[in-house]
Amino acid sequence: DQQVKQNSPSLSVQEGRISILNCDYTNSMFDYFLWYKKYPAEGPTFLISISSIKDKNEDGRFTVFLNKSAKHLSLHIVPSQPGDSAVYFCAASAAWTSGTYKYIFGTGTRLKVLA
Amino acid sequence: DSGVTQTPKHLITATGQRVTLRCSPRSGDLSVYWYQQSLDQGLQFLIQYYNGEERAKGNILERFSAQQFPDLHSELNLSSLELGDSALYFCASSTYSGTHYEQYFGPGTRLTVT
Repeated sequence: DQQVKQNSPSLSVQEGRISILNCDYTNSMFDYFLWYKKYPAEGPTFLISISSIKDKNEDGRFTVFLNKSAKHLSLHIVPSQPGDSAVYFCAASAAWTSGTYKYIFGTGTRLKVLA
Repeated sequence: DSGVTQTPKHLITATGQRVTLRCSPRSGDLSVYWYQQSLDQGLQFLIQYYNGEERAKGNILERFSAQQFPDLHSELNLSSLELGDSALYFCASSTYSGTHYEQYFGPGTRLTVT
């Protein structure tokens, strides 16, 4: 049961253009969403997050949009740069037992930014 | 550098064997999470420890176990290894951002079972 889905395994974008990475989730209990970037031979690094009480969060070139009714979020990267080439994971979090949080990750989208 | 360290980086072993993966969280972080990433799969949550106690369990096999020690480092023990256990194993520690907990990942241990 894949509660967080990234249906596009890969995406290629020209340098300077917009990259849009999509993520869908099924569990309405998720209240916090995160994007991680992963380079080869490294662990995932936190990129940007959004709480379920918001529909948009911006950090420099990165913007995350949340559509709760559609259970969909997207990450926009504008303008895309070759250094953005990496695997991007979407993750969703919900309060779990004992005050801890459970994180569910998608399968990732490999972004390639072409120079 | 996330501040989370994992050893070893690579591990090659045979089926049926047992291995131990080690993780040291960021200074001050009390929580440690373990994840498994198989080929073309997302990060599968295995288990979480908080200040030495097990807090949450995910899809962790009975052949796998973990513990967190008083100095907060954690070990993931994998036994009776099978070919399908070949994967990247990540450890993460978390810190409260003011609104939520954010996870910081180590570089991972690549396990190859032959």
